[in-house]
Parts: sequence; structure tokens; C-alpha cells
Amino acid sequence: DTGVSQDPRHKITKRGQNVTFRCDPISEHNRLYWYRQTLGQGPEFLTYFQNEAQLEKSRLLSDRFSAERPKGSFSTLEIQRTEQGDSAMYLCASSRGPGRGNTEAFFGQGTRLTVV
Amino acid sequence: AQKITQTQPGMFVQEKEAVTLDCTYDTSDPSYGLFWYKQPSSGEMIFLIYQGSYDQQNATEGRYSLNFQKARKSANLVISASQLGDSAMYFCAMDAAGNKLTFGGGTRVLVKP
Repeated sequence: DTGVSQDPRHKITKRGQNVTFRCDPISEHNRLYWYRQTLGQGPEFLTYFQNEAQLEKSRLLSDRFSAERPKGSFSTLEIQRTEQGDSAMYLCASSRGPGRGNTEAFFGQGTRLTVV
Repeated sequence: AQKITQTQPGMFVQEKEAVTLDCTYDTSDPSYGLFWYKQPSSGEMIFLIYQGSYDQQNATEGRYSLNFQKARKSANLVISASQLGDSAMYFCAMDAAGNKLTFGGGTRVLVKP
């Protein structure tokens, strides 16, 4: 296993279009996280899954955003009716889960979204 | 709520010298973890080091060490013998209750030859 992979690496879309990103976590990891990072800032939490259950969503995740993790494997993040303010790097991470020593999160290389 | 503060937006360091990156945190949870990540220009967040709130000793990983001062709520990263490849953004992060990470604003390090 080569780590967390994200697809696509880059996406340019017109305002108003829908986009979908995919994340494949490390296979034995139960938890999967989505973060958003704007230029010059640290990543901000969006949502996370424990297996297939979505356990928490940030207030940053407006109703135009939806995330799924069917069967507890890969995850998708969809943004509907994109806005220029959605332009950012979308980072996916995975970890074994809660508990001491298990919370280290491994990140993918991210999907950079540009809305024009 | 958790908060991470990194007060140094950018730092220069001479190759082969040590550099300390500051990080202070705030949380009401008694159990938490502190992390440092490196983000080169390629964008990937690379895990460097972890410190648990109940760990008695400061964490070390190769050239990275974490100066954990619990009473001061600080978790500074020390990079020894800096290399040109250490030039990157560095983020301090915290989790509480084993859930999501809260990140600081980052410190950009530039290693000069």
C-alpha cells in the first residue's frame, strides 16, 4: 500500500458546475478525514468518517457539500454549484482510529480546485 | 474548542544549524495529542512527530524533537542540523478525544546554503 491517494490532483471548473473528488485511504485505516486548505492557511476540518458512518461535519460544510464513504473504503467529496470561494486545496487523510497511538493521520497529496 | 497558535510566519535558518518553531495550544480536554507536519511546495502533508499529553518524555524522531511544556501549553519543534530539503511550511496540530486535527497557521522555513 502506497498511502493515501487522491484524484484528481488538479481540477479547474466554471462557477456553478458540480465537482467530485475521490480519496482512497490506507487500506487498514478505519477513519477518513476531509480538510480544506486555502492559500497561506493551515488546513481546516470539514468532515470525518469512522468506517462508513459520517460522525462529524464542520459548519464549513455547507449544504452544497456532501461526502460519502460507501462500504467504509474510498470516499467522495462532491461540491454542487461551485463558487469562487470554493477554490482551495482539498486534503484527505486517514488514520487507524481513536485510541492512544492510533490517531496519527496520513495525508494524501490533495486536490487543488480552481473555480473560474 | 481547540486552538493552535504559531506566531512565526517565516524563518530563515543557515544550513547545518538548528531551528526552533514555536507552537502554543489551548484545550480543555485532559487527553490530547500534538503533531507536527511538514508541507513542501508539492502540497502533501508529511507527518513528522507526535506527543501525547500524558507522555512523560519529549518525543524525538531523527533530527526532529518536540519540546513539550505542558504547564505553558507549548509544543515547540526543534529541527537539528538543518538541510536544504527542510525548506517548507511547518504546521503544528492538535487532536482531542482522538478526533479531528486542529491546525495552526503554519511557519515557513527557508534554509540558506
